[in-house]
Amino acid sequence: RKEVEQDPGPFNVPEGATVAFNCTYSNSASQSFFWYRQDCRKEPKLLMSVYSSGNEDGRFTAQLNRASQYISLLIRDSKLSDSATYLCVVQRGSTLGRLYFGRGTQLTVWP
Amino acid sequence: EPEVTQTPSHQVTQMGQEVILRCVPISNHLYFYWYRQILGQKVEFLVSFYNNEISEKSEIFDDQFSVERPDGSNFTLKIRSTKLEDSAMYFCASISREAGSPLHFGNGTRLTVT
Repeated sequence: RKEVEQDPGPFNVPEGATVAFNCTYSNSASQSFFWYRQDCRKEPKLLMSVYSSGNEDGRFTAQLNRASQYISLLIRDSKLSDSATYLCVVQRGSTLGRLYFGRGTQLTVWP
Repeated sequence: EPEVTQTPSHQVTQMGQEVILRCVPISNHLYFYWYRQILGQKVEFLVSFYNNEISEKSEIFDDQFSVERPDGSNFTLKIRSTKLEDSAMYFCASISREAGSPLHFGNGTRLTVT
């Protein structure tokens, strides 16, 4: 079973839409969770960490369900600039340890 | 904002040749990493490095790979005898020890093995 699995997408939504991405992870020892964003042929960039109580950063809301080993990302009021691939990432143990990436979900926001 | 820088941005090499990918991590960072991403696939961990030694490596990081911090600023990844399947984007990353600090990725080196 893959360490991190995501909706493959692609998602194509109009500007202003709300879109949700899901992710599951296989290792219950995972302790830290993140959403990264990756533009075409560029490096991954941290979008937000995901906390057990859920957290919000502007238009972005992340949720974590440890019992189900499930992570989600909700984007409200989508902008053209949100078009990218969204990577679900988990980390076991130390915050200095290796990251396990999902394959990513591609989002295209159209005008 | 300080950046992790990688050179070259694109490297083309023939199968069997040695390549060295170079990275300059952020200056006060102490932990360094190499990840790679084959086109269309996920980002995969290769190796982490701290205090002049490897702290963790993945199953991908076999005897053909090595890392070095030859001086106080550079962090290199060497592939001794490249194979076609080594073609990928290679990302260097670094992190400070401060709690909650994020991992900073470089902009990558695209390696093409022909």
